[in-house]
Order: sequence, then C-alpha cells, then structure tokens
Amino acid sequence: EVHLVESGGGLVQPGGSLRLSCAASGFTFSSYWMTWVRQAPGKGLEWVANIKEDGSEKYYVDSVKGRFTISRDNAKNSLYLQVNSLRVEDTAVYYCARGRTAEPWGRGTLVTVSS
Amino acid sequence: DVVMTQSPLSLPVTLGQPASISCKSSQSLAYSDGNTYLNWFQQRPGQSPRRLIHKVSIRDSGVPDRFSGSGSGTEFTLKISRVEAEDVGVYYCMQGTLPCSFGQGTKLEIK
Repeated sequence: EVHLVESGGGLVQPGGSLRLSCAASGFTFSSYWMTWVRQAPGKGLEWVANIKEDGSEKYYVDSVKGRFTISRDNAKNSLYLQVNSLRVEDTAVYYCARGRTAEPWGRGTLVTVSS
Repeated sequence: DVVMTQSPLSLPVTLGQPASISCKSSQSLAYSDGNTYLNWFQQRPGQSPRRLIHKVSIRDSGVPDRFSGSGSGTEFTLKISRVEAEDVGVYYCMQGTLPCSFGQGTKLEIK
C-alpha cells in the first residue's frame, strides 16, 4: 500500500525557515514525479511545486519562487521542501502527493507563520 | 500560466439527484504527447484530497461509477449521476501541464 507521511511543520515567525519532509513507502519512489500542494485554513488547494524522478526538473508556483526549494533523496525514499523567508500568507497545511497528477496524498503537515 | 475556473462554487443537491461541475482553463490542456492532463479531486470534510478522475475521464481505482468526467480543449465537466450522502465535500479540478494549477473548488452539500 502506498503511504506518504509529511513532517517538519510548526510555528515560525515571519522571515523564518523550515524544512518539510515526506517519507514515501509502498512504491518505487525513484520512478515518480512528486508534488507539494498547500491549503490555507478554510481555503482551496494551491499547487506549490513538482520535481522530476531524478530531480533534474523542478517547477514552482510564482508566489514561492526564490523562497522555497523542492528536493528529493531517492536512496531514502524522501521528498523535501525547504521553505525560507516565510510570510504570514504561507500559513497552510502542506501535502505531498505522488506523481504529477497527485495521487495519493499524505495527511499533511501544518505550517503556521505568526509573530 | 494556466488559470482554472470552476462553476458553480456552491452546489446544493437533493439526494439521488444528478450534479454537474464545470471547469474551464485559460488555454488548451491538450499536450504534445496526445494526452490531456485534467484531473478531478474530492476533499471530504476533515480529510486529505483524493483523486477521482485523471486524464479527463479515467476513473481512479475504487471510485464509484456514478462519477464521470468529460470534455476537451478548455472545457471540462465532472458529473455525479445520483448524489449520495458520502459525496458531500469540495471538488477541485487540476490541470497537470507544468506549472500545475487548481480550480477554486466547488462545495457540494445536500439540500
């Protein structure tokens, strides 16, 4: 069974940083694109970033370019999202999902940016 | 970048009745490989989203056949033939042509 578990969220001040992780199991991680999606409290889904199987291609939503970095370690079956220069509007549950078409999803990790 | 526009944003439906959600993209989603990467997701209250349909009309494993997807180019539709209580939630379309993007979501509730 495919399993995705996010971690690394928490409360951080504006301008701070976090490293989000997604541990994958139940499939050949190195054979799939991976995706990060976020959802602000009470709001809709926002696609954040994608990374190709070998990490050679990465794509970001405009609002996080230059601040967030997606990466992966295929030897550890893990996906990461380094989030820097955090803003209040980055407050959200961050989900990882398998593939470019996002299925399945993890349960998410909450990032709260507040002073 | 591609903008996805859903309608309606709120959808009250009587149990057993059909429901339909529209999703329009700002440019054609037909990709050079011959596929159209338009997906539909369901998010039940308090749960993570799950994909219902990919590539316009292919139902994911375990998705009831009362859900169907159709469309081409820039206009797409998700239909539920007979709404059941477990269908309550928010439905999103998502285009998979990088960079990806979601529609605003349609909240389905029982009338």
